[in-house]
Amino acid sequence: GDSVTQMEGPVTLSEEAFLTINCTYTATGYPSLFWYVQYPGEGLQLLLKATKADDKGSNKGFEATYRKETTSFHLEKGSVQVSDSAVYFCALSDWGAAGNKLTFGGGTRVLVKP
Amino acid sequence: EAEVAQSPRYKITEKSQAVAFWCDPISGHATLYWYRQILGQGPELLVQFQDESVVDDSQLPKDRFSAERLKGVDSTLKIQPAELGDSAMYLCASGGGSDTQYFGPGTRLTVL
Repeated sequence: GDSVTQMEGPVTLSEEAFLTINCTYTATGYPSLFWYVQYPGEGLQLLLKATKADDKGSNKGFEATYRKETTSFHLEKGSVQVSDSAVYFCALSDWGAAGNKLTFGGGTRVLVKP
Repeated sequence: EAEVAQSPRYKITEKSQAVAFWCDPISGHATLYWYRQILGQGPELLVQFQDESVVDDSQLPKDRFSAERLKGVDSTLKIQPAELGDSAMYLCASGGGSDTQYFGPGTRLTVL
């Protein structure tokens, strides 16, 4: 079945540092890939997505490129802010006979210190 | 900006009691999902609706959980009886035909 593996946290950074969160996936079909962000006590917010190989999703300074050859979708940001402190989830969506559920990784907690 | 609404935001109950959660998807979204997120983990799908029909409930513990979306709009997820292991965040999401899902704020359930 489908699965998503992402690096475990917590990741602790100083403000303005470079952030990378690794994500790899296993899927039987051709999934769309997503990054969601979750702030404490809240639901998930869509951060960015990519629907096919070599697509780059970007939003709020975050970027991720769909790499089919390495089955990866790593999240990057060049200069993080304290407000980027949150839990980040990598996910895939694959259409099957039973709909298009999202399969999530375990989440990576990011803490940015001033 | 349209949002997915959920209530209550927090629910504390004792084991063996019944609980119910409500979700109102983004207007016009035909697909509705319920996920369960255990603390420190990623969400896992419980049930998916297309309009009023269940598309996937393979991970729904049907001995105690039920879900309905009678008019194809809002939805209710029920647990009866609640067990200690049901303590989690229950997330509702909706989709408008693409593969992007939009999540509500969730209901945090604590079972004592």
